[in-house]
Amino acid sequence: GIQVEQSPPDLILQEGANSTLRCNFSDSVNNLQWFHQNPWGQLINLFYIPSGTKQNGRLSATTVATERYSLLYISSSQTTDSGVYFCAVAPLSNDYKLSFGAGTTVTVRA
Amino acid sequence: KAGVTQTPRYLIKTRGQQVTLSCSPISGHRSVSWYQQTPGQGLQFLFEYFSETQRNKGNFPGRFSGRQFSNSRSEMNVSTLELGDSALYLCASSVLRGQGDDEQYFGPGTRLTVT
Repeated sequence: GIQVEQSPPDLILQEGANSTLRCNFSDSVNNLQWFHQNPWGQLINLFYIPSGTKQNGRLSATTVATERYSLLYISSSQTTDSGVYFCAVAPLSNDYKLSFGAGTTVTVRA
Repeated sequence: KAGVTQTPRYLIKTRGQQVTLSCSPISGHRSVSWYQQTPGQGLQFLFEYFSETQRNKGNFPGRFSGRQFSNSRSEMNVSTLELGDSALYLCASSVLRGQGDDEQYFGPGTRLTVT
């Protein structure tokens, strides 16, 4: 199956700092999503971005499908940005499932 | 629109028992998927249903089963529970087309503890 690698595994930031999270995947995809898992376990949709660039407030994401990677940018980080960020992909073979990376744990300190 | 709902939110069971978890998708969504999250294995796909048909199943033993009803609600069942089944079980639904490229939306999860 498709492999998804996220880096770095852990990130500690000072409030106000900017950061970049990376997601590499091993095959062509027709779905790529970024999620933030809240402390209660729910996955919150951040971006649906199989290709291109999107922005939502302080967050933005870019997927370069031809090079098989996606980046999630967090600007002016706040303590509420803390948590685990997951990248998930579905391959072109259309097997109706998302394959998740191991996640990046972000800690923002005041 | 209401989001994906899952019941119960928390569950404690004993080894050897069975458990049934329920998921109601977003209104109009016909595809429902189930995932298991554990600290050791991360997020793993269990199965996916569309129009009451299982279209894909992950690498889990036969003790894990599921079904989907005509109103798109889904249940998953785990029989003969083992300690290793302790996990957060997440349900996701996707938009009407039910294609592999659909955006998926997740429910709050059911946290199962097996003692």
